[in-house]
Amino acid sequence: AQKITQTQPGMFVQEKEAVTLDCTYDTSDQSYGLFWYKQPSSGEMIFLIYQGSYDEQNATEGRYSLNFQKARKSANLVISASQLGDSAMYFCAPFPPSSGSARQLTFGSGTQLTVLP
Amino acid sequence: AAGVIQSPRHLIKEKRETATLKCYPIPRHDTVYWYQQGPGQDPQFLISFYEKMQSDKGSIPDRFSAQQFSDYHSELNMSSLELGDSALYFCASSLSGDSSYNEQFFGPGTRLTVL
Repeated sequence: AQKITQTQPGMFVQEKEAVTLDCTYDTSDQSYGLFWYKQPSSGEMIFLIYQGSYDEQNATEGRYSLNFQKARKSANLVISASQLGDSAMYFCAPFPPSSGSARQLTFGSGTQLTVLP
Repeated sequence: AAGVIQSPRHLIKEKRETATLKCYPIPRHDTVYWYQQGPGQDPQFLISFYEKMQSDKGSIPDRFSAQQFSDYHSELNMSSLELGDSALYFCASSLSGDSSYNEQFFGPGTRLTVL
């Protein structure tokens, strides 16, 4: 069984500053990629960024980037220049490597980020 | 761009009643997932369908069943509802295959309240 650890139940950051949200995962092999999703108070799950297990470079997507350390099985999300709209719950989820079939996600417990004005 | 559609968005039921949630995946997506998110919890996988066949089951109660139809839409049927079934139910779809990256697109969710 997978174990996903997000050690920060809540985080506060000042607007315009950067923040790092932690995620470590314990999976059966090193082929797992990793997703990060954002869930604002309205409830929808919004895809942010994906890190492939064989990607040589850390993934980046606008103000989002990942600090991926494959050997340590950690993929921390870095949000630069925080905005008030970044206040939300953030979930990481390892992505199983098998192909040709459904690959359900197992989520961490999440980090509630609050951006302060 | 088309997104995952879920209906209804909100549903209120009494204990022991039944409920049916519907999901319309993104066109050409061949995989549908159902997740349940209780208050203050992370989403938990319930069941998935790949090419209209049940692919995997998670923590889905026996009172729940689901199917995927020929047009790829899916329905989650819930019977003998209990207070603990009150949750946000997500449907997600993806295009599976040999790609190493198959993002799951989530619908807006159906918020079920059991009274």
